[in-house]
Amino acid sequence: GAGVSQSPSNKVTEKGKDVELRCDPISGHTALYWYRQRLGQGLEFLIYFQGNSAPDKSGLPSDRFSAERTGESVSTLTIQRTQQEDSAVYLCASSLEQYANEQFFGPGTRLTVL
Amino acid sequence: AQSVTQLGSHVSVSEGALVLLRCNYSSSVPPYLFWYVQYPNQGLQLLLKYTTGATLVKGINGFEAEFKKSETSFHLTKPSAHMSDAAEYFCAVSSSNTGNQFYFGTGTSLTVIP
Repeated sequence: GAGVSQSPSNKVTEKGKDVELRCDPISGHTALYWYRQRLGQGLEFLIYFQGNSAPDKSGLPSDRFSAERTGESVSTLTIQRTQQEDSAVYLCASSLEQYANEQFFGPGTRLTVL
Repeated sequence: AQSVTQLGSHVSVSEGALVLLRCNYSSSVPPYLFWYVQYPNQGLQLLLKYTTGATLVKGINGFEAEFKKSETSFHLTKPSAHMSDAAEYFCAVSSSNTGNQFYFGTGTSLTVIP
């Protein structure tokens, strides 16, 4: 079956613009995660969804960041009024509900804010 | 709370030499431990995981890791490095009291010298 997909693969935007990043998880995976990976750095947790609810939003860097998930499927991460420090690869992962299950990662969206 | 520490952000080994990447975790309950690999310009993929049972876990591409509770460690090893092993390696932990939350280390970049 298909893996986790993300779109767009690359996004270049101007400072101050809003962007939307999309994630399509593996069908049947109830848990969905967003991470940010800055150049040469590790994974920075942003938010995770269990079904359509987000029990943990602690990683969102500021109120410019928001995310939603509908139908226990697709998720969108929105960044408003983008800043240059938002430039990074945004990774989405999904997993089955159980905590012992591995996460399956998408290829990421590379965001560049000029 | 759970956390992961990866000692050494950069490790270099000669081709054919032993690979040892260190991971220590903290968890108040039995942990579930994972190693992920990220090859250049690719997404993260699971190398191996420990949930229960045998403490020595074998993964793909000749890698293995041993869960040592007394040392709170889950170091990744490979007897003989290959050029194709050059990548970024991430250790992660989850547990029954973190819901579906995973905690990733900051990563170790492995360079293999010919």
